[in-house]
Amino acid sequence: AQSVAQPEDQVNVAEGNPLTVKCTYSVSGNPYLFWYVQYPNRGLQFLLKYITGDNLVKGSYGFEAEFNKSQTSFHLKKPSALVSDSALYFCAVRAPYSSASKIIFGSGTRLSIRP
Amino acid sequence: NAGVTQTPKFQVLKTGQSMTLQCAQDMNHNSMYWYRQDPGMGLRLIYYSASEGTTDKGEVPNGYNVSRLNKREFSLRLESAAPSQTSVYFCASSEAPFEGGQGELFFGEGSRLTVL
Repeated sequence: AQSVAQPEDQVNVAEGNPLTVKCTYSVSGNPYLFWYVQYPNRGLQFLLKYITGDNLVKGSYGFEAEFNKSQTSFHLKKPSALVSDSALYFCAVRAPYSSASKIIFGSGTRLSIRP
Repeated sequence: NAGVTQTPKFQVLKTGQSMTLQCAQDMNHNSMYWYRQDPGMGLRLIYYSASEGTTDKGEVPNGYNVSRLNKREFSLRLESAAPSQTSVYFCASSEAPFEGGQGELFFGEGSRLTVL
């Protein structure tokens, strides 16, 4: 069975510092991995995805994520945090060639950037 | 381009009342989904429709019904609301994974439902 874990409920970072939001997964085969962001009272917005190829994936708003197959991780990173990055972040995983209905979401990590 | 539109945004029901959440997408996507979001639990799939004319149960379908009215519209109905159905509901759509899309989901703004 596939699963995804976000081990931190909350991450606090000072503006200008690098940030990392952690995600680990379990899936058979090579995974499809996604990051979504949710701003207050809004729906989820797609940030980036890893399907195949380069392990470092770049996405929206300056975010990037590194796929590490040996550690089964897909951590979200940004070199310099902005206050406007404060939001709820979800990691998600899907088995390859499976329906999008089979996507599994993590429980979310609240990112708080202090000025 | 509106993307995925949900109505209503807020609703308060009494236990036993019924209601329908409406969803429409204008991206010509084949697949549509209904999720619920509860604190600390991420998103859980209620029902989905892989294509027009088909619907399937997700992880938490009990107490809900759906209708795929046409390619654009996918509604979620609560026949007899219960306090356990207090949640934020999200509709989403995606291209079918074998038709060029990689399956990322596009979400509506959410419908916040409270059942008293």
